[in-house]
Amino acid sequence: GENVEQHPSTLSVQEGDSAVIKCTYSDSASNYFPWYKQELGKRPQLIIDIRSNVGEKKDQRIAVTLNKTAKHFSLHITETQPEDSAVYFCAASRRGNYQLIWGAGTKLIIKP
Amino acid sequence: GAGVSQTPSNKVTEKGKYVELRCDPISGHTALYWYRQSLGQGPEFLIYFQGTGAADDSGLPNDRFFAVRPEGSVSTLKIQRTERGDSAVYLCASSLLAGGLGTDTQYFGPGTRLTVL
Repeated sequence: GENVEQHPSTLSVQEGDSAVIKCTYSDSASNYFPWYKQELGKRPQLIIDIRSNVGEKKDQRIAVTLNKTAKHFSLHITETQPEDSAVYFCAASRRGNYQLIWGAGTKLIIKP
Repeated sequence: GAGVSQTPSNKVTEKGKYVELRCDPISGHTALYWYRQSLGQGPEFLIYFQGTGAADDSGLPNDRFFAVRPEGSVSTLKIQRTERGDSAVYLCASSLLAGGLGTDTQYFGPGTRLTVL
């Protein structure tokens, strides 16, 4: 079955700098890769997702890149702000599947 | 429109008791998912409904866990003979239509924090 690994577990960056979180997956049939942001005590919220027919997707300060050959995908946040502090989860699922397999999460800390 | 809602937000129970957790999906969403999230971990899949039927319950940890969705909308997760290890946040999500050539975005509810004493 699918396995998703996420690194780092904790990331601390200076406000205004960029943050990069990386995930690898094992199932080459996986074709959908969402990223969720979860603030303490709140629900996971989708911030961006990518499907396997594209290599990169951007939404303002957030971007996701996908390397299907290497089976890894990354979240990039530029010009980080205090409100970006949260736990970020990557996930993967297969074509026609519904079950999201999640990474362990990255706690992002934005230092003022 | 309204998002996914879950009740109660918190539930404290004693070991051995029975609990029910309710999920109200986004109106019109045919797919509904239950996940369990322990502290410091990502959500763990429990069960998935397409309409009224449980399309996949392979994530349910044992036969103490059961879920229903009798009218294809609201779902109830039922846990019998609760154990301390069942303590976690139970998350519900819904999506417009699962399967096909892609996977639809799952929208999550706020969760129910279950504490078994």
